[in-house]
Amino acid sequence: DQQVKQNSPSLSVQEGRISILNCDYTNSMFDYFLWYKKYPAEGPTFLISISSIKDKNEDGRFTVFLNKSAKHLSLHIVPSQPGDSAVYFCAATKFGGAQKLVFGQGTRLTINP
Amino acid sequence: DTGVSQNPRHKITKRGQNVTFRCDPISEHNRLYWYRQTLGQGPEFLTYFQNEAQLEKSRLLSDRFSAERPKGSFSTLEIQRTEQGDSAMYLCASSLGTHNEQFFGPGTRLTVL
Repeated sequence: DQQVKQNSPSLSVQEGRISILNCDYTNSMFDYFLWYKKYPAEGPTFLISISSIKDKNEDGRFTVFLNKSAKHLSLHIVPSQPGDSAVYFCAATKFGGAQKLVFGQGTRLTINP
Repeated sequence: DTGVSQNPRHKITKRGQNVTFRCDPISEHNRLYWYRQTLGQGPEFLTYFQNEAQLEKSRLLSDRFSAERPKGSFSTLEIQRTEQGDSAMYLCASSLGTHNEQFFGPGTRLTVL
C-alpha cells in the first residue's frame, strides 16, 4: 500500500511564477514530513521539513504547508527558477524508533524560461 | 567535502554474481540507512543501523542481502546471487539520532544482466 502519494508525475511552470507540489499521506502515525529534491545521477538533497505541530514552515523561496485533517502537504516555490527543475520527493516519518522515511513517487518539475 | 559517499557509483554484473557496495556516512552521524530506488518510484527503506547495531530490516531485504556496519563507521551492503530484479539505485543516508533529516549519498546504480 502506498502510504505517501504524489499524484502528479510532472508539473511545468514558467520562470518567475509559483510552483505548487502536492503530497497526500494515509498513515496518521506520521508526525514529520520532508521534501527532497533530486537531480539526475545524484542522491536526493534535503530541502525543507515540517513537524506535525506546525502548519507552515518557510525557508527562503520554499514554504511547506501541512493540513493534518486532510492528511495533505504542499511545497510552494516562489519565484520559480530554472535551477529548480528536478524531481521532488515528499517523505514522511514518525519520530522515535528507526525514523525511516516513506517516500512518494516523486513529481518532475520543469521550469520554462 | 564531508557529505555521504558511496562506492562504486555504477556496477554492472551478470546474474548469479555477488556484489558489494560501500557507504561512508557523515562522520558524526550515528544512524545509517540503506534505501533502494527503482525507475519511477521513490526510495524504499531497506535497513537501518544505529552505530554498529542493525536495528531494523525491511521485508524487501531478502536473505540474499546482508548489510554490516563494523565499528559504527562505514557500511557495506552485499547482494548474493544477483537477479535481474535487483537492478536499481542503492542509496545510503545518514543522520544524527535526534534529527529526522537524512542526508543521502549519490547512490550506486546496479545493473544485473
